Amino acid sequence: GQNIDQPTEMTATEGAIVQINCTYQTSGFNGLFWYQQHAGEAPTFLSYNVLDGLEEKGRFSSFLSRSKGYSYLLLKELQMKDSASYLCAVSLSGGYQKVTFGTGTKLQVIP
Amino acid sequence: DGGITQSPKYLFRKEGQNVTLSCEQNLNHDAMYWYRQDPGQGLRLIYYSQIVNDFQKGDIAEGYSVSREKKESFPLTVTSAQKNPTAFYLCASSTYPKHRNQPQHFGDGTRLSIL
Repeated sequence: GQNIDQPTEMTATEGAIVQINCTYQTSGFNGLFWYQQHAGEAPTFLSYNVLDGLEEKGRFSSFLSRSKGYSYLLLKELQMKDSASYLCAVSLSGGYQKVTFGTGTKLQVIP
Repeated sequence: DGGITQSPKYLFRKEGQNVTLSCEQNLNHDAMYWYRQDPGQGLRLIYYSQIVNDFQKGDIAEGYSVSREKKESFPLTVTSAQKNPTAFYLCASSTYPKHRNQPQHFGDGTRLSIL
C-alpha cells in the first residue's frame, strides 16, 4: 500500500519561516510534488523533486531525501495569502502517471 | 488562456438519481483524471484516461462512470449506486502520461451534495 503522512494543521506568523514535513512509504517512487490549495479552489503546482536535495523557487523551497522517504516544503517571509492547504503527492513508478496524495497540511498565517 | 473548466460549481443530487459532472480542457493534454476530496482525506483517484476512447478505474471507481470521446472532454457520472456521493470533485489533466515529472493541472472543482 501507499502511505503519506503530513501534519494536519500548522500555524505561523506573518513574516516568519515555516517548514511543512512529509514522510512517505510507497511501492515505487518517481518523484514528489507539492501543491497549494486554497479553500474551495483547485490545487496549484508548487514544486517537483526527483533527486535528493533542495530546490529553491523564490520564497518556496522543497527538499527531498529518497533514502529516508522524507520531504519538506519551506515557506519564507510568510504572507497572509499563504494561508492554504499544502498537499504532498508522490509520483509512483508504473505504466502511467499515477500520483498518490497525502491528506494535506492546513497552514494558517496570523498577523 | 488555457485551462480546465469544471461545471457546475455546485450540484445537488436526489436519491436514486444519476448526475454528470463536466470537465473540459484546452491545454491539449493527453491524460485526464477525476479525483474525489473529502474533509481530512487526501485526493482519491476515481478514474483516469491516458488517451481518447480509453479509460481505467482508479482506487474508488465503484458507483462512478466516465467517457472519453474527445481529447478535450472527460465527463464523470455519479450513479445512484454511489451511496455516499457528497464530496468535492476535482478534474485534472497532464501531458503525455508517461512524463511523470509533469504536474497535473486542476479545475476549480464541483461540490456535490445530497438533497
